[in-house]
Amino acid sequence: DAGVTQSPTHLIKTRGQQVTLRCSPISGHKSVSWYQQVLGQGPQFIFQYYEKEERGRGNFPDRFSARQFPNYSSELNVNALLLGDSALYLCASSLRQGLGVTYNEQFFGPGTRLTVL
Amino acid sequence: SQKIEQNSEALNIQEGKTATLTCNYTNYSPAYLQWYRQDPGRGPVFLLLIRENEKEKRKERLKVTFDTTLKQSLFHITASQPADSATYLCALRGGTGGFKTIFGAGTRLFVKA
Repeated sequence: DAGVTQSPTHLIKTRGQQVTLRCSPISGHKSVSWYQQVLGQGPQFIFQYYEKEERGRGNFPDRFSARQFPNYSSELNVNALLLGDSALYLCASSLRQGLGVTYNEQFFGPGTRLTVL
Repeated sequence: SQKIEQNSEALNIQEGKTATLTCNYTNYSPAYLQWYRQDPGRGPVFLLLIRENEKEKRKERLKVTFDTTLKQSLFHITASQPADSATYLCALRGGTGGFKTIFGAGTRLFVKA
């Protein structure tokens, strides 16, 4: 079975531009979360989506937005890029949203490396 | 604000020894504490989860302890191997933090043959 896939693998943009990152969860998984990981730091929570609705948001500006499609894939959009947005963007899928033990295990994709010049 | 602290310095140990990594947290009462492994350029991989009412969990060569009074978790890898070299991330979820998962910065482990 395919794991979580993300595209593109790498991306170079300039300040002020907009970017869209894509994620396909594991088949059967309905929850997708997005994380930003800056070099030397742990992943920082951006969004969680479940059944096409936003269920959680981290401390990120409104320049960051996301959506989930009927097939449970997801897109992360970042507008007006800043140098500080350079990071590895990770997508994680889980079976469902919830706080039961089963719902804690997240499966991460390989990430999209975004460089803003 | 919620904060997780892991040893920022890399841990270097000899093959066969036990590696012990520490995770401390403040301003948080999590329902779950998780450990992930991350290799360079890759996404984190889930290893173990321990609940707030559990003291210890084991899985093969891995052992996790969870002390909610001290707000600390210890992660042990016994009989360590060079293939265990990676960054290990502590993460908290649930409780006062709700559904989101909060990660520490990770500890880099090097196991020398």
